[in-house]
Amino acid sequence: NAGVTQTPKFRVLKTGQSMTLLCAQDMNHEYMYWYRQDPGMGLRLIHYSVGEGTTAKGEVPDGYNVSRLKKQNFLLGLESAAPSQTSVYFCASRQGAGSGELFFGEGSRLTVL
Amino acid sequence: GNSVTQMEGPVTLSEEAFLTINCTYTATGYPSLFWYVQYPGEGLQLLLKATKADDKGSNKGFEATYRKETTSFHLEKGSVQVSDSAVYFCALYTGNQFYFGTGTSLTVIP
Repeated sequence: NAGVTQTPKFRVLKTGQSMTLLCAQDMNHEYMYWYRQDPGMGLRLIHYSVGEGTTAKGEVPDGYNVSRLKKQNFLLGLESAAPSQTSVYFCASRQGAGSGELFFGEGSRLTVL
Repeated sequence: GNSVTQMEGPVTLSEEAFLTINCTYTATGYPSLFWYVQYPGEGLQLLLKATKADDKGSNKGFEATYRKETTSFHLEKGSVQVSDSAVYFCALYTGNQFYFGTGTSLTVIP
């Protein structure tokens, strides 16, 4: 039971570098989300997707891009990393509309120097 | 707008003590309410949920009742264990979005 898998789990970047975080889910879920978690601020939604080929902005989308080319994968990209993007990133998925449970990955810790 | 406010932490309790973590919300419509738990080094896991007013969610000895009149969803457990040490997040779902509180860190000491 893999559930939601995030790669990489740790990454250190220099300011201005780019990278992509990969989220993969094997539960055939329609909806996928990217959150960032910062001390004292809880989880904030970056981008989300309600199905293959669709994406939408969340609360804090600036500096990030996403793609959902395949239903099971949701990629989060940083084109030019900034120290303010140092955070723990969580991917989550759920079956569809309605108040169903969110399933989370284990997180990816990103440090931007 | 939609938001969740939960009790500031950290909270430190002795084993077998009673736990309450307060959560209040502001929401349009009729939200569903959740408590998620995050153990060290892991992602969030659903602990319990309630989908309408007066519902009580329960799991692993934890309980929370959806109180529409006070817009609250306080988490309680009668006797905490060391293994309950974690960060607890209150959340609401409405308008196809989840909104999370800032989290409350709980440490239970033997």
